[in-house]
Amino acid sequence: GAGVSQSPRYKVAKRGQDVALRCDPISGHVSLFWYQQALGQGPEFLTYFQNEAQLDKSGLPSDRFFAERPEGSVSTLKIQRTQQEDSAVYLCASSWGEVRVYGYTFGSGTRLTVV
Amino acid sequence: GNSVTQMEGPVTLSEEAFLTINCTYTATGYPSLFWYVQYPGEGLQLLLKATKADDKGSNKGFEATYRKETTSFHLEKGSVQVSDSAVYFCALSDSNTGNQFYFGTGTSLTVIP
Repeated sequence: GAGVSQSPRYKVAKRGQDVALRCDPISGHVSLFWYQQALGQGPEFLTYFQNEAQLDKSGLPSDRFFAERPEGSVSTLKIQRTQQEDSAVYLCASSWGEVRVYGYTFGSGTRLTVV
Repeated sequence: GNSVTQMEGPVTLSEEAFLTINCTYTATGYPSLFWYVQYPGEGLQLLLKATKADDKGSNKGFEATYRKETTSFHLEKGSVQVSDSAVYFCALSDSNTGNQFYFGTGTSLTVIP
């Protein structure tokens, strides 16, 4: 597609509920990233995929967070048993080449509110 | 470790005023530096970048120079427009930490006519 697409745009979850956030990267982009952006803060790294391989998950805050990219294109970020502190905007980004040279292309994000 | 520090906002300027948003960094390796812009209701967009010391990134009238001696990458524009109202994020990618970006907290800019 023309850009990175994320869905849903907004999600309200009751505490304890499981949620799944979808990211559809730019076609042909090998690298895919998830970031968490709390209100008034900059994005913080969660995890990174190269094709279907999850090469870095050091930023996932707990074992309730799980990400997958089974066919090397669409990715899903799953949060189990949501807590209020999970409320944030979840950003997906993709890149076709070396990110230190080319940077990322970000999606518009999914705003998760846990009530 | 790696970190980025941006000047506190919000910043309010009149149209055609000069803009500076300060950004300083710490890095363990050889970082590339970026400015991203987030317009209301939209995702972050790459504004400009510099991959080595003394490089100047520029785009849409914005400029930033990678200063290794002062570990800075300040964003400047000579004459801002109302359409520049957005949140600006400074970020770095370090050669030692692969593909992860480190972002500042963002600086909100409002330009009034």
